[in-house]
Amino acid sequence: EVQLLESGGGLVQTGGSLRLSCAASGFTFRNFAMSWVRQAPGKGLEWVSCISGSGGSTYYADSVKGRFTISRDNSKNSLDLQMNSLRAEDTAIYYCAKEMNLNYWGQGTLVTVSS
Amino acid sequence: DVVMTQSPLSLPVTLGQPASISCRSSQSLVHSDGNTYLNWFQQRPGQSPRRLIYKVSNRDSGVPDRFSGSGSGTDFTLKISRVEAEDVGVYYCMQGIHWPRTFGQGTKVEIK
Repeated sequence: EVQLLESGGGLVQTGGSLRLSCAASGFTFRNFAMSWVRQAPGKGLEWVSCISGSGGSTYYADSVKGRFTISRDNSKNSLDLQMNSLRAEDTAIYYCAKEMNLNYWGQGTLVTVSS
Repeated sequence: DVVMTQSPLSLPVTLGQPASISCRSSQSLVHSDGNTYLNWFQQRPGQSPRRLIYKVSNRDSGVPDRFSGSGSGTDFTLKISRVEAEDVGVYYCMQGIHWPRTFGQGTKVEIK
């Protein structure tokens, strides 16, 4: 059974940093791209970033490019999202999802950016 | 970026009646491999999203057969043949061919 468990969310000040993690199990992690998607309170889904199975290719939404960095550790079946220079508009539930077309999702972790 | 436009944004439906959601993309979603990468997701209240349909018309494992997807090129439709109470939630389309990936605004399905 595929399981994705996000962690690392919390309250951070504007301009601060936070690192999210996603622990994956139930599939051969290194064989699949992984993605991050976020959802601001009461809003729709926004794709954030994606990384290939090897980690050699990364993709970002314009809204986070240059501030967020996606990475993975295939030896630990772990996906990360380093978020710097956080803004109020980054407040959202952050979901990790399997593959580029998001066939499995985690339960999400809430990030709140406030001054 | 590819713009995904859903309609309607709100869909009140009577239990047992059909429902249909439209999704249009600003660019073709046909890949050079011949596949069309259009996905549909369901988000029930208080839950994480769940993929229902991939590559236009393929149901994910465990998805009831009352859900069906159709379309081609830039015009797509999600249909629920007979709405049940558990189908209440927000439905999103997402294109899976262009970077960045983009979602539709979401269609809220509720029971009349």
